[in-house]
Amino acid sequence: AQSVTQLGSHVSVSEGALVLLRCNYSSSVPPYLFWYVQYPNQGLQLLLKYTSAATLVKGINGFEAEFKKSETSFHLTKPSAHMSDAAEYFCAVSEPGTYKYIFGTGTRLKVLA
Amino acid sequence: NAGVTQTPKFQVLKTGQSMTLQCAQDMNHNSMYWYRQDPGMGLRLIYYSASEGTTDKGEVPNGYNVSRLNKREFSLRLESAAPSQTSVYFCASTWTGGVDGYTFGSGTRLTVV
Repeated sequence: AQSVTQLGSHVSVSEGALVLLRCNYSSSVPPYLFWYVQYPNQGLQLLLKYTSAATLVKGINGFEAEFKKSETSFHLTKPSAHMSDAAEYFCAVSEPGTYKYIFGTGTRLKVLA
Repeated sequence: NAGVTQTPKFQVLKTGQSMTLQCAQDMNHNSMYWYRQDPGMGLRLIYYSASEGTTDKGEVPNGYNVSRLNKREFSLRLESAAPSQTSVYFCASTWTGGVDGYTFGSGTRLTVV
């Protein structure tokens, strides 16, 4: 069965510092992997996705993630945090053909001035 | 604008009352989903419809029913609301197979008193 673990329910970084949000997955087949962002009182917006092409995936707002099969990880990074990055971030996994995504419990990112 | 539209945005129900949450998408997506979001638990799948004419249970289907009215519309019904169903409900849609990621609606915030 597929599953997702996000380490750290809350992460704080200073403005301009590196953002690293961790995601580990479990899947019996090569998965599709996604990162979503949710701003307060809004729906979820797709940041980036991995679907078996390049292992380093670039998304919107300067975010990127690297698929590491040996570590079963798909960590989200951004070189320099901006105040507008404060939000909740969700990692999701899907096994091709299953029609369903499984979401992690989310990481709330706080950016300190 | 193209996307997923959910109604209502807010609702307060008394225990035992019934209601239907509406969802419509105009992107010609085949698959539609209902999730609930609770603090610390991420998003949990209630029901999904892989294609028009089919529906299947997700992780937390008890107390809910769904109807895929046509390709555009997918409704969620609470027959007898309970306080445990207080949550934020999100509808999402995607192409069959899910490789493109979900498009989410803006959510319905439901309180059962």
